[in-house]
Amino acid sequence: EVQLVQSGAEVKKPGESLKISCKDSGYRFTSTWIGWVRQMPGKGLEWMGIIYPGDSDARYSPSFQGHVTISADKSISTAYLQWSSLKASDTAMYYCARTKGTDAGPFDIWGQGTMVIVSS
Amino acid sequence: QSALTQPASVSGSPGQSITISCTGTSSDVGRYNYVSWYQQHPGKAPKLMIYDVTKRPSGVSDRFSGSKSGNTASLTISGLQAEDEADYSCCSFTSSSTLVFGGGTKLTVL
Repeated sequence: EVQLVQSGAEVKKPGESLKISCKDSGYRFTSTWIGWVRQMPGKGLEWMGIIYPGDSDARYSPSFQGHVTISADKSISTAYLQWSSLKASDTAMYYCARTKGTDAGPFDIWGQGTMVIVSS
Repeated sequence: QSALTQPASVSGSPGQSITISCTGTSSDVGRYNYVSWYQQHPGKAPKLMIYDVTKRPSGVSDRFSGSKSGNTASLTISGLQAEDEADYSCCSFTSSSTLVFGGGTKLTVL
């Protein structure tokens, strides 16, 4: 069974950096797209960006461009989402999800989510 | 890019049918047949229910169906069951080669 396994919950202070991960146990990591989705407490899903691990082509939502970086290490089938300076408003659940093969989605496989809490 | 517009909540009784709308623009929903729908139960990750407007992944009940007219996509659930109570979100590909979600709809089974 194909799975995306995300790193564990994080508690950080404003201004700190963070990198969370998403490991793909399948065999198509370099031939599909991995996206990141934010869900703030009690709110809906927000598409943050997506990456093609095969060549590291990454695209971002205008709402997140410049605030996060999406990357991937195809040698270990792992995608990453990172912040250089966290804000309290980054407190949310973050999901990675894999598309069926194109950048147009859909996301057919989801990780279990990583909860990020940013508080002083 | 603005989020797609969904009603905040819908409700129905067991056995009834409900429809959730998802309104976008001519740059997303209206332009591409790349609309998908996700079901999310509390504390769980989203689950793909419909993709490419009308297609159902293997294992998803045929009580779930999708359609599109102009800039509005719709998810219909027939024969409502208690287990269908969840949040539902639509998602569309856009002309900027990005994706955008709707705000989500909470379905209550009365």
